[in-house]
Amino acid sequence: KQEVTQIPAALSVPEGENLVLNCSFTDSAIYNLQWFRQDPGKGLTSLLLIQSSQREQTSGRLNASLDKSSGRSTLYIAASQPGDSATYLCAVKYPSNTGKLIFGQGTTLQVKP
Amino acid sequence: DGGITQSPKYLFRKEGQNVTLSCEQNLNHDAMYWYRQDPGQGLRLIYYSQIVNDFQKGDIAEGYSVSREKKESFPLTVTSAQKNPTAFYLCASSIDRDRPFNGYTFGSGTRLTVV
Repeated sequence: KQEVTQIPAALSVPEGENLVLNCSFTDSAIYNLQWFRQDPGKGLTSLLLIQSSQREQTSGRLNASLDKSSGRSTLYIAASQPGDSATYLCAVKYPSNTGKLIFGQGTTLQVKP
Repeated sequence: DGGITQSPKYLFRKEGQNVTLSCEQNLNHDAMYWYRQDPGQGLRLIYYSQIVNDFQKGDIAEGYSVSREKKESFPLTVTSAQKNPTAFYLCASSIDRDRPFNGYTFGSGTRLTVV
């Protein structure tokens, strides 16, 4: 069964800290992996998309890495700010006719001033 | 600006009623999706459509129906057969089924509550 797991479920850090969010997937034959941000009561905002042939993607203070062989991705947030407080979701797309994404349950981040 | 518009933002349903959630996109994407989000359960796929006039059931389609008469629109109807409809509903789109190496764009969601 294709599953995506995110650890930890919740994280609280002081402002300015560098942090890592983890995502693991059971089947390594992925097409791509996408990291999203979700604010309370809002939709999902795409942060980074990593294709299966790539090892990492960067956008500003965010860096996402992909290790297919170990079934893992990490989202690195540098110099965290209170505005980074949100839920971060990892989603994997597998080869199929559906185009369906399989989501982890998310990591809820709180950055304290 | 291109994007996905979901309406309404909040919707209240009485027992036995059917309600329809709207999803419109101006991204010229072929594929559209409906997901349901419940606390502690993540997102689950309800229905998807990869081309106009065609749609397929996802993992939790019972009690829901959709149509895809236009490329831009993919409305979701929550029928009275859906016994536990209270949830946050998210619509998404992606470019097309023949090019899997692309990402999803999501709408802002509709929160449905049974009263």
